[in-house]
Amino acid sequence: SSELTQDPAVSVALGQTVRLTCQGDSLRLNYASWYQQRPGQAPELVLFGKNNRPAGIPDRFSGSYSGTTASLTVTGAQAEDEADYYCCSRDNTDDHWVFGGGTKLTVL
Amino acid sequence: QVHLVQSGAEVKKPGASVRLSCKASGYTLTSYYIHWVRQAPGQGLEWMGIIDPSTGGTTYSQKFQGRLAMTRDTSTSTVYMALSSLTSEDRAIYFCSRGRYSSGWYWIDTWGQGTLVTVSS
Repeated sequence: SSELTQDPAVSVALGQTVRLTCQGDSLRLNYASWYQQRPGQAPELVLFGKNNRPAGIPDRFSGSYSGTTASLTVTGAQAEDEADYYCCSRDNTDDHWVFGGGTKLTVL
Repeated sequence: QVHLVQSGAEVKKPGASVRLSCKASGYTLTSYYIHWVRQAPGQGLEWMGIIDPSTGGTTYSQKFQGRLAMTRDTSTSTVYMALSSLTSEDRAIYFCSRGRYSSGWYWIDTWGQGTLVTVSS
C-alpha cells in the first residue's frame, strides 16, 4: 500500500496564509481529501476532489496539486483553525485507503 | 440529516475480541460505503478497512488481515466491526465513517463520534 507524507507541525501568524502539504504516489491518480481534527473531536471534512469544500467550510480553505503533492492552503488563518489536519487518498492498486501522518497547525 | 452513532466504550482483556456497532440514520445505508478508522492515544488516523453495505463485500488493511471482520445488518442500518486477539496496541478510539465517490473523486463526508476501546489485564 502507498503512503502519504505530511509535515508534523506548522505554525502561522494570525491572519497570515499557510500551506500544508501531502506527498504520495497515490496522488498521481487520485485527489486527496483533507480533514480537520480538534482535540477530543472526530475528524471533519474540509476539502475534497480538485478543490471542493463541504457546506459550512469557510472559503479561506483551498486546495491545489503539483505532481504527487497535494496542498491545503489556509488564507487568513483564524484562531479556530488551530487543529490537526490529515490528508487521505485511495490507492487504486489495491483499493486500500491511506491517511497521512497529520500536521499540527498552530496559529500564533 | 446524516448521522453515524457508535456504540459505547469497551474494556477488554488481552486476547479477547471486541465488536463495535455503527448505526446510520438520515440516509439509506446501502447507498454508501462505510470505513473504519482508528486513532491510538496521541497518534494519527489509521485506516482499517471498508465495507460495501449493499453487498457485504469488504477490503481490509493488510495490517489487520485475519483478525478483523466487518459485517452489516441492513434491517437496522447498522454496520459492525469485530477485532480479535486484542493487545495493548489496539487501545484506540475507533471511528466509523461514510465513504463517498463521485466523478472519480473519493472522500469521507461523515464521521461517527468514536468508540474508545481499552485493552487491559
